Amino acid sequence: NAGVTQTPKFQVLKTGQSMTLQCAQDMNHNSMYWYRQDPGMGLRLIYYSASEGTTDKGEVPNGYNVSRLNKREFSLRLESAAPSQTSVYFCASSERSREPQHFGDGTRLSIL
Amino acid sequence: GIQVEQSPPDLILQEGANSTLRCNFSDSVNNLQWFHQNPWGQLINLFYIPSGTKQNGRLSATTVATERYSLLYISSSQTTDSGVYFCAVERMGTYKYIFGTGTRLKVLA
Repeated sequence: NAGVTQTPKFQVLKTGQSMTLQCAQDMNHNSMYWYRQDPGMGLRLIYYSASEGTTDKGEVPNGYNVSRLNKREFSLRLESAAPSQTSVYFCASSERSREPQHFGDGTRLSIL
Repeated sequence: GIQVEQSPPDLILQEGANSTLRCNFSDSVNNLQWFHQNPWGQLINLFYIPSGTKQNGRLSATTVATERYSLLYISSSQTTDSGVYFCAVERMGTYKYIFGTGTRLKVLA
């Protein structure tokens, strides 16, 4: 009964390196989301996927790309990491858009 | 864009006390959710409540969409209630949720 699984849990990158954050859900949900959380702040939506095969930008999409690989998996890619992207990244899923969201445990990413 | 304000920003309670957390939003919304982020950083969905009142054990929530606010009630608080409580609203015509900055709650034994 894993729910939403994110990998890795921690990562340190150097400026300019690239990286893909992985997210998988086993609840047969249609919608998936990527958020970032900066210290002392709420979450901000980076990208979301309302259903398999579709993706759309959120509040803060610049510097990121996403892939909805299949119904289970939704990855987030940083092509050229910048210190401003240091954050905790959360993936979430819901049965459909406008349904309760369930979150993974987060990936803590530091960019030096 | 839509503004989501939560109050109070910080709250300290003795175990057993009751509290009310408020979420105000500046525009009409499709939906509203309340989340608890525990001290380990995990986010738990508490309520999905676009309107009306819901209860789950010691917690209840009320959303008055026409007046653009929601309230989260915590009764007989316990130390495990500590953490940050977020409300998130879905902007009309989108599937995008905007989070408030949260209420940080500390319950003392």
